[in-house]
Amino acid sequence: GQQLNQSPQSMFIQEGEDVSMNCTSSSIFNTWLWYKQDPGEGPVLLIALYKAGELTSNGRLTAQFGITRKDSFLNISASIPSDVGIYFCAGQRVGGSQGNLIFGKGTKLSVKP
Amino acid sequence: DGGITQSPKYLFRKEGQNVTLSCEQNLNHDAMYWYRQDPGQGLRLIYYSQIVNDFQKGDIAEGYSVSREKKESFPLTVTSAQKNPTAFYLCASSPHDRGPGNQPQHFGDGTRLSIL
Repeated sequence: GQQLNQSPQSMFIQEGEDVSMNCTSSSIFNTWLWYKQDPGEGPVLLIALYKAGELTSNGRLTAQFGITRKDSFLNISASIPSDVGIYFCAGQRVGGSQGNLIFGKGTKLSVKP
Repeated sequence: DGGITQSPKYLFRKEGQNVTLSCEQNLNHDAMYWYRQDPGQGLRLIYYSQIVNDFQKGDIAEGYSVSREKKESFPLTVTSAQKNPTAFYLCASSPHDRGPGNQPQHFGDGTRLSIL
């Protein structure tokens, strides 16, 4: 099935730095979701976006629903060690059900203390 | 606390054996989902159910079966026909399955299945 293009695949950053990751697709979506997964656990929802152009924050996290409805980005400001984990984007196609949610392959974030 | 409970946390399967993974939710959600996660891969949908006594195949349903006899429960059976079952299995639920702006899926903590 179709997958989203999520980049970068992995990144190492210095504590305190800002982080940016994004997802792109050839399809139009009506919902973009960002999840974080810690080792051995299930993904936890960070931010949900429902409108093109929408910019939403959750603490140090900010995500935007692209104007074209084919992309989204997630920014983390002033990273800390507990930000380590894998971040997934997920998109729901227009007219589709959540059974048609498509996931990116994840961005693995590692922070140097 | 409301949430999604998956059990067991770890499971081992012998050759030719069927195993069943449990998923229970007390969130009163209508829709439930099963995903498979392999290293370096995104989540791939196995089966989902929008309502009790109904379910649909996802992208990789072969070798798996499900049932939805109760709203709270959506067990997944990994059959002997699934030749590469070693993976991390995630169950999720959401209030509804369709509609714009609907509440997104929330996940359980997963079951790791390995072959003996």
